[in-house]
Amino acid sequence: AQKITQTQPGMFVQEKEAVTLDCTYDTSDPSYGLFWYKQPSSGEMIFLIYQGSYDQQNATEGRYSLNFQKARKSANLVISASQLGDSAMYFCAMREGNNFNKFYFGSGTKLNVKP
Amino acid sequence: GAGVSQSPSNKVTEKGKDVELRCDPISGHTALYWYRQRLGQGLEFLIYFQGNSAPDKSGLPSDRFSAERTGESVSTLTIQRTQQEDSAVYLCASSPHGDRQETQYFGPGTRLLVL
Repeated sequence: AQKITQTQPGMFVQEKEAVTLDCTYDTSDPSYGLFWYKQPSSGEMIFLIYQGSYDQQNATEGRYSLNFQKARKSANLVISASQLGDSAMYFCAMREGNNFNKFYFGSGTKLNVKP
Repeated sequence: GAGVSQSPSNKVTEKGKDVELRCDPISGHTALYWYRQRLGQGLEFLIYFQGNSAPDKSGLPSDRFSAERTGESVSTLTIQRTQQEDSAVYLCASSPHGDRQETQYFGPGTRLLVL
């Protein structure tokens, strides 16, 4: 089974609107961490936001928030007030347990922000 | 401070040749990761170094792939007898170890094209 599933290969959003990028995960380990990364066309991977499995509140970082629904095993990324510079690939990732070597990445969602 | 750097940024080689890719992690980061990203796909874990411990090589796709790291500094990923299917972007990341979020900081990648 896939550890991380991103079902939206591509998304469009109008500038200044909010957009939600979906991510579901699969693990039986009670301790895990969830990450979102942005990859612009230039190629670098940029860390956006982190959610720990024991965190009580949804993570927020500026315009990014993570809608963490533990029972459903989903960790959707919400970008508010989209900007043209948000156009990029977005990857959801999971660290399973406390193993530094078990990082799993989804296949990504290509977000296009329209002016 | 300086981020993760990788060299070369682009490499074109002929099938059957060996290539060496270099990664300079962020100073003080004890953990270092190599990933492969094929065109349009997510990241595949290749190898992980943590301090002076034996590396986790579980993601290396074949014995043509090897990696070394000197202490907590530079790492080189070597691909011997390259094949066309090795064409991909090779990304290196480092993390502090001990940081709760265990965020990985990525380099810009090396784009490898095997003709």
